[in-house]
Amino acid sequence: NAGVMQNPRHLVRRRGQEARLRCSPMKGHSHVYWYRQLPEEGLKFMVYLQKENIIDESGMPKERFSAEFPKEGPSILRIQQVVRGDSAAYFCASSPSLARTEHFEQYFGPGTRLTVT
Amino acid sequence: AQSVTQLGSHVSVSEGALVLLRCNYSSSVPPYLFWYVQYPNQGLQLLLKYTSAATLVKGINGFEAEFKKSETSFHLTKPSAHMSDAAEYFCAVSSTNTGNQFYFGTGTSLTVIP
Repeated sequence: NAGVMQNPRHLVRRRGQEARLRCSPMKGHSHVYWYRQLPEEGLKFMVYLQKENIIDESGMPKERFSAEFPKEGPSILRIQQVVRGDSAAYFCASSPSLARTEHFEQYFGPGTRLTVT
Repeated sequence: AQSVTQLGSHVSVSEGALVLLRCNYSSSVPPYLFWYVQYPNQGLQLLLKYTSAATLVKGINGFEAEFKKSETSFHLTKPSAHMSDAAEYFCAVSSTNTGNQFYFGTGTSLTVIP
């Protein structure tokens, strides 16, 4: 059973460009979470999605950031008009439906390291 | 509201010595608590979790943690440090009331001295 997949692992963008980060959850998982890790800091929650639904986006910046988890395909975190402050590691995590498991945990992908030049 | 405080952003221990990484949490409802380890340029790997069962939780690689409600703590320990334990360790708290959102501490970087 493959783990959470993220691509690309490293992404370099110039200021003003768009960044698209992809996340494929573990097989059988229907919940996806995105976190951002700034240098020397812990992970900060950004958004929680289920298939075709945004459940909680309280951690998302109000502008330039969006996320989706379509019925088919990976979850996408999109950052428009990137700025240097967007440089960070972005981690995706997935979990199964809470109704089907007593183990409440999130499985993390390897992350995408975004560098804005 | 929920939050986690990790005391000590950097901890150094000698190889073979006891490892103690501190985590205190704040939660208005019964929490779920987790320890994750992150090796350089890698994702987070779950070490162990507390989900209201036994208060002493054993995890992978010889680590364990004890949930102490009276102290609102969930400290991570290992009796004997190995060089391979050098990494960043994160404590996290969550609950069913937070919509599955995890709140992470700022992390503790563990250095193991040969």
